[in-house]
Amino acid sequence: DAKTTQPTSMDCAEGRAANLPCNHSTISGNEYVYWYRQIHSQGPQYIIHGLKNNETNEMASLIITEDRKSSTLILPHATLRDTAVYYCIVRVPTGTASKLTFGTGTRLQVTL
Amino acid sequence: DAGVIQSPRHEVTEMGQEVTLRCKPISGHDYLFWYRQTMMRGLELLIYFNNNVPIDDSGMPEDRFSAKMPNASFSTLKIQPSEPRDSAVYFCASSLGQGAFIPEQFFGPGTRLTVL
Repeated sequence: DAKTTQPTSMDCAEGRAANLPCNHSTISGNEYVYWYRQIHSQGPQYIIHGLKNNETNEMASLIITEDRKSSTLILPHATLRDTAVYYCIVRVPTGTASKLTFGTGTRLQVTL
Repeated sequence: DAGVIQSPRHEVTEMGQEVTLRCKPISGHDYLFWYRQTMMRGLELLIYFNNNVPIDDSGMPEDRFSAKMPNASFSTLKIQPSEPRDSAVYFCASSLGQGAFIPEQFFGPGTRLTVL
């Protein structure tokens, strides 16, 4: 799997958009970008994934650059409950390659 | 749906004892994964099943670890004998595959294992 680079930590005011960047400059053509988060003492939670087009669901939006070397996860209106560690993962979603390997992620702190 | 269910949520045992962790995947999902998470090593895939059949167990640390999936709604991860270095949070996850394509995985709340 391609390596990803994320900032160690970020702060965001409640109600504002949280923009979490991820660099994956060595991503290959068949690798997808996935985002998960882990709230303290809970299991990882799937957020969103994409291949090359921007994606949006009820939780977040994913913006992938045209060259696919970086992406941004956007939480449009962050709340205190969004405080968590966010993991950007690139993977080929088939067979054993589909295993999830979390790096250190970005610790997002949402504040009042 | 209740999501992935794991039991127990916490387990404290003494070295040498047998430990059994249990998982009920989301109904209808055909993939089941067992992961282990520690501060030192992060999240590691131990084994995964497709339609109750073990596909890849290369992540299982050693022969002390075994996993079974007797039916589509139940899986166990057993450690015998347990050792202090097995202390970790063990997660079970399930996924609804599209053939060989495995989209998002849904995780259970985990079992925190402490081996004294």
